[in-house]
Amino acid sequence: QVTLKESGPTLVKPTQTLTLTCTFSGISLNTSGVSVGWIRQPPGKALEWLGLIYWDDEKRYSPSLKSRLTITEDTSKNQVVLTMTNMDPVDTATYYCAHRLTARDYFDSWGQGTLVTVSS
Amino acid sequence: QSALTQPPSASGSPGQSVTISCTGTSSDVGGYNYVSWYQQHPGKAPKVMIYEVSKRPSGVPDRFSGSKSGNTASLTVSGLQAEDEADYYCSSYGGNNIPVAFGGGTRLTVL
Repeated sequence: QVTLKESGPTLVKPTQTLTLTCTFSGISLNTSGVSVGWIRQPPGKALEWLGLIYWDDEKRYSPSLKSRLTITEDTSKNQVVLTMTNMDPVDTATYYCAHRLTARDYFDSWGQGTLVTVSS
Repeated sequence: QSALTQPPSASGSPGQSVTISCTGTSSDVGGYNYVSWYQQHPGKAPKVMIYEVSKRPSGVPDRFSGSKSGNTASLTVSGLQAEDEADYYCSSYGGNNIPVAFGGGTRLTVL
């Protein structure tokens, strides 16, 4: 059974850097074909893909946010970390991490999500 | 603005069928058979209902079906039930540099 869970601050100030951690079980980023993605959803709005990290440490980012995003992994801890710089109130959203098999290209397991509010 | 275009709303009565469209380009929907559909109830994480255009994960009722023609994919929900009322999002692979694109979502109302 694959489980993922996001953790991090619920409130950040404008211009600060957000760091979120995705802790997962039932999968391994050492396994060929495995990837973990980050997706966010502002209140009442649509899903927005942020980025993906692959088993071979390759990363892909949304072009519109690429300059602000970094995704790293700690395979020993079964964790993936999302860093987003220069936070703005428009970045207020629920942030999800999810498991994706490269061969199938869909997110088959999702975390519960964590709401991050950007406000001074 | 979302990369894929969906109608903002759809509705149907219990027992009826409803189809939700998802329009992209030849660089995403039209170029690959990697379209997926997600159901999201309020306050919950999305759940995959269809992957690879028309395949259903284990446990998803066969009332849900998917198809694609050109740059437009479709999700059909047959025999509508009250629990089908939710937001639905399409997603497509868009190539090596943009592997994920989402649609703007469609709110399905069961009348």
